[in-house]
Amino acid sequence: EDQVTQSPEALRLQEGESSSLNCSYTVSGLRGLFWYRQDPGKGPEFLFTLYSAGEEKEKERLKATLTKKESFLHITAPKPEDSATYLCAVPPFSGGYNKLIFGAGTRLAVHP
Amino acid sequence: DADVTQTPRNRITKTGKRIMLECSQTKGHDRMYWYRQDPGLGLRLIYYSFDVKDINKGEISDGYSVSRQAQAKFSLSLESAIPNQTALYFCATSECPGLTPDDTFGSGTRLTVV
Repeated sequence: EDQVTQSPEALRLQEGESSSLNCSYTVSGLRGLFWYRQDPGKGPEFLFTLYSAGEEKEKERLKATLTKKESFLHITAPKPEDSATYLCAVPPFSGGYNKLIFGAGTRLAVHP
Repeated sequence: DADVTQTPRNRITKTGKRIMLECSQTKGHDRMYWYRQDPGLGLRLIYYSFDVKDINKGEISDGYSVSRQAQAKFSLSLESAIPNQTALYFCATSECPGLTPDDTFGSGTRLTVV
């Protein structure tokens, strides 16, 4: 069964304390992995797409990496405005990109 | 104005009532989606549509129906609401989900069924 698991469920960091979020998946023939940011009271906002193992994408303090079994979202020297829930998603082996499988998310809180 | 607008933002309804959640978009995208989000479960796809004549079931369509009134409008209905339909509902538009930064979600409708 295609599954996406994110860990930890919640993460509390001090401002400037770097860390990583994990997204592991069990999907045959990965055709992309997507990261989103979701602020309270808002819908998810697209961050990155990764297509192949070894690929990396960066945006400000965020860097996403991909292996054959998991993806990491590295947060370097986070600031309070990075506080949000981070979601990852993959398309299933069958069903196409319209039926993305989402993880439950990691709630990140960055404190001054 | 927001690119994807959902109404209402919050709604409390009673078991057995019919309720409609509405979504309109100004992105000009053909594809529109309805998701529900529950704590600990992530987003799950309810229905999606490629155009007014093309409606498709998602992972959890039982108990829901949709209507695509125009390219810009996609409504979700609960014919007879039940408490386990209490959730946060999101509408989204895309040219192709997850492949472009142009994926756009609305701000959600928080539905409580009592």
